[in-house]
Amino acid sequence: QQQVKQSPQSLIVQKGGISIINCAYENTAFDYFPWYQQFPGKGPALLIAIRPDVSEKKEGRFTISFNKSAKQFSLHIMDSQPGDSATYFCAASRVYGNKLVFGAGTILRVKS
Amino acid sequence: ETGVTQSPTHLIKTRGQQVTLRCSSQSGHNTVSWYQQALGQGPQFIFQYYREEENGRGNFPPRFSGLQFPNYSSELNVNALELDDSALYLCASSLGQSNTEAFFGQGTRLTVV
Repeated sequence: QQQVKQSPQSLIVQKGGISIINCAYENTAFDYFPWYQQFPGKGPALLIAIRPDVSEKKEGRFTISFNKSAKQFSLHIMDSQPGDSATYFCAASRVYGNKLVFGAGTILRVKS
Repeated sequence: ETGVTQSPTHLIKTRGQQVTLRCSSQSGHNTVSWYQQALGQGPQFIFQYYREEENGRGNFPPRFSGLQFPNYSSELNVNALELDDSALYLCASSLGQSNTEAFFGQGTRLTVV
């Protein structure tokens, strides 16, 4: 019940296109769903996060869509740029829990 | 860049040895969590320290241990190193026991040979 399943494993998108990464969780007690971006040799950086009381959150080119009944959430990167090429991780936790449960990651490559 | 710093950035150890990794949390943060990230995988929770006390532990053996100091910096100790311990070790700091706004350091790349 602690798993977070992420897909796809890798994604190639043309510059200017939309990148979409999906995640599914099992534990209905989770109430915090962040996305992290990680570049090679760096730690994960918090990109955007959502709580289950809203179905969508947008920050700049990044949008999280959240479907509580399906226990799924997704990251949309609009107008994808080569600088967005990185590994993206979804995660889930309780806001006042002691751990983040991460997905396996998606390697995004944006072709110029 | 976050205010979380880890040291060293890289190290190589021999199987059976012991290692200590260090983490300085972001100013104002009193919680440090440690994660292990194997190559090509997502980070896995090792344990969390809140106000110098262990506050939860993941599925890691007792040879993984930790400390948090009064200034909220933290250490991760691994005894009897095994080849499978080779990974990027990440620490994350946050305020209180909340997972929101958890900021990660750049990690320590441990190679066990």
